[in-house]
Amino acid sequence: AQSVTQLGSHVSVSEGALVLLRCNYSSSVPPYLFWYVQYPNQGLQLLLKYTTGATLVKGINGFEAEFKKSETSFHLTKPSAHMSDAAEYFCAVSLGNSYDKVIFGPGTSLSVIP
Amino acid sequence: GAVVSQHPSRVICKSGTSVKIECRSLDFQATTMFWYRQFPKKSLMLMATSNEGSKATYEQGVEKDKFLINHASLTLSTLTVTSAHPEDSSFYICSARVPGLAGWQDTQYFGPGTRLTVL
Repeated sequence: AQSVTQLGSHVSVSEGALVLLRCNYSSSVPPYLFWYVQYPNQGLQLLLKYTTGATLVKGINGFEAEFKKSETSFHLTKPSAHMSDAAEYFCAVSLGNSYDKVIFGPGTSLSVIP
Repeated sequence: GAVVSQHPSRVICKSGTSVKIECRSLDFQATTMFWYRQFPKKSLMLMATSNEGSKATYEQGVEKDKFLINHASLTLSTLTVTSAHPEDSSFYICSARVPGLAGWQDTQYFGPGTRLTVL
């Protein structure tokens, strides 16, 4: 069965510092991988996704993630944190190679310190 | 990009009453929509997959008689929480799948969510 783990339920970084949010997954077949961001009392917004092809994926708002099959990881990074990046971030994996069932990780709350 | 709306955004109801939440795809047709439930400071839990014109597929542990899902048109899916109780209070989020030419080109768009509070 597919599953997603996110190391660190809460991460704090200083404004301008590197953001690194960790995600590891387990899947019996090549997965689709996603990162979503959620602002308070709002729905989810897709940051980026990996389906096939290049393993380094660039998303919106300066975020990027690298799919490492050997490490079963899909960590999210951003070179320089901005105050507006403070939000909840969810890593997700699809069952198989479709969108039919997406399993979400527990989430990481990102705080940005001025 | 594609837009998914939910109505209402917030609802408060008395215990024992039923509440209907609508999920609409505004500028595209969605043959498949998904319903999620999110507890405070928790992740999203897939409740069911809603397919237009057919019965919804519920995840294990989700009471189908409690959470009625109807997907009567290509742009509307509804979730009805029947005989709501305080433990049903939660943030309910829907999403719609936009099919691409190939499976990997599909995209999923999320609605803004509905906060249900049962007194």
